Amino acid sequence: QKEVEQNSGPLSVPEGAIASLNCTYSDRVSQSFFWYRQYSGKSPELIMSIYSNGDKEDGRFTAQLNKASQYVSLLIRDSQPSDSATYLCAVHTGGFKTIFGAGTRLFVKA
Amino acid sequence: GAVVSQHPSWVICKSGTSVKIECRSLDFQATTMFWYRQFPKQSLMLMATSNEGSKATYEQGVEKDKFLINHASLTLSTLTVTSAHPEDSSFYICSARGTSGRVAKNIQYFGAGTRLSVL
Repeated sequence: QKEVEQNSGPLSVPEGAIASLNCTYSDRVSQSFFWYRQYSGKSPELIMSIYSNGDKEDGRFTAQLNKASQYVSLLIRDSQPSDSATYLCAVHTGGFKTIFGAGTRLFVKA
Repeated sequence: GAVVSQHPSWVICKSGTSVKIECRSLDFQATTMFWYRQFPKQSLMLMATSNEGSKATYEQGVEKDKFLINHASLTLSTLTVTSAHPEDSSFYICSARGTSGRVAKNIQYFGAGTRLSVL
């Protein structure tokens, strides 16, 4: 089992829809969780961080964390073609390492 | 937010030459820096982790004599690709993590990356 798992996609959604990206992790004592966006040919940029169970909203983005289920998700409301990118889930584990998932490719159709 | 500057953004070199890539944290002290490599359409691959003032820890399969990492200060780390060959052509990305000041807890901030092409 990989430490951080994501569906590679591509996930295709129409413009204006909600995109839902999911991530599971294996280390139960992980405390910090992040979502990064990576455009093709560019480096990752941080979108959201979440540390506590529940939802955290920032503009069109909502991160959701459920530590009991070892699950973290990212919702993108009113998806735009400019949101088309690869989204990386990252988990800071109990071993003080940040493990990145392989990423989910999102494609927003105009 | 925290800024990580990486230079050069791209470099073309002849086979057998060495290339140095610099990574600087501009507005925070980077206690830990990371070097990644990414091939087209593939995921990030961690090459090594370095803490200021100590030797880098390399991931399995990464040749430490080929990829020399120096983290001499809290704001600067360098990666030198020695005797580069065409198979070393890739996108190299540095990342930095700090522990205080304007940087948030446990977050890694990425440089813009360096595209290396070895002819």
